[in-house]
Amino acid sequence: DSGVTQTPKHLITATGQRVTLRCSPRSGDLSVYWYQQSLDQGLQFLIQYYNGEERAKGNILERFSAQQFPDLHSELNLSSLELGDSALYFCASSDRGQGGTEAFFGQGTRLTVV
Amino acid sequence: AQKVTQAQTEISVVEKEDVTLDCVYETRDTTYYLFWYKQPPSGELVFLIRRNSFDEQNEISGRYSWNFQKSTSSFNFTITASQVVDSAVYFCALSEATFSGGYNKLIFGAGTRLAVHP
Repeated sequence: DSGVTQTPKHLITATGQRVTLRCSPRSGDLSVYWYQQSLDQGLQFLIQYYNGEERAKGNILERFSAQQFPDLHSELNLSSLELGDSALYFCASSDRGQGGTEAFFGQGTRLTVV
Repeated sequence: AQKVTQAQTEISVVEKEDVTLDCVYETRDTTYYLFWYKQPPSGELVFLIRRNSFDEQNEISGRYSWNFQKSTSSFNFTITASQVVDSAVYFCALSEATFSGGYNKLIFGAGTRLAVHP
């Protein structure tokens, strides 16, 4: 158990809908990362927050947004969902935002858009 | 630009065989970090090892060993006496080390699927 908790584990929704994925980092970790794993794109970095502030952005679509709350949990909001958004979404956390810190991953949320 | 290449898409071995998973990376940074993660069939990503660019010592952990060679930009992973439980997808990843307002997003390779048969 990595200590990172993601909910829900599975999510099935229709195109055009909006969903929220939730992540609770390991106790004491200040940095949260979101990754998307899809068959065609592989594992891709979406966005990082550090102590409530956005720190880095990757290939995150404008339809997607995220935030980190004062208690350090994070939410990834996906809107106007398309079939191609079906993927495994991982949250990871690390104790610092600096380079090289190993990130521990949650079990992922499998999103299926139908 | 940073890039990680895992040329082996799938490897199939019989239990007790040794197997090496290749990883080649590209970066213009002089300071960087390399990682290996394991993704078993259950889907979670399990951290295996981190190596920084200044430490070229090979590392051994039980049946696992890692060979880091800056001269060839490679960070290969060997499993000795493989077991069925080693069946998983293995990802190599690269992270830059930016210490001023730093962040450490991971650039992943495409992964190598290892199947160990009894």
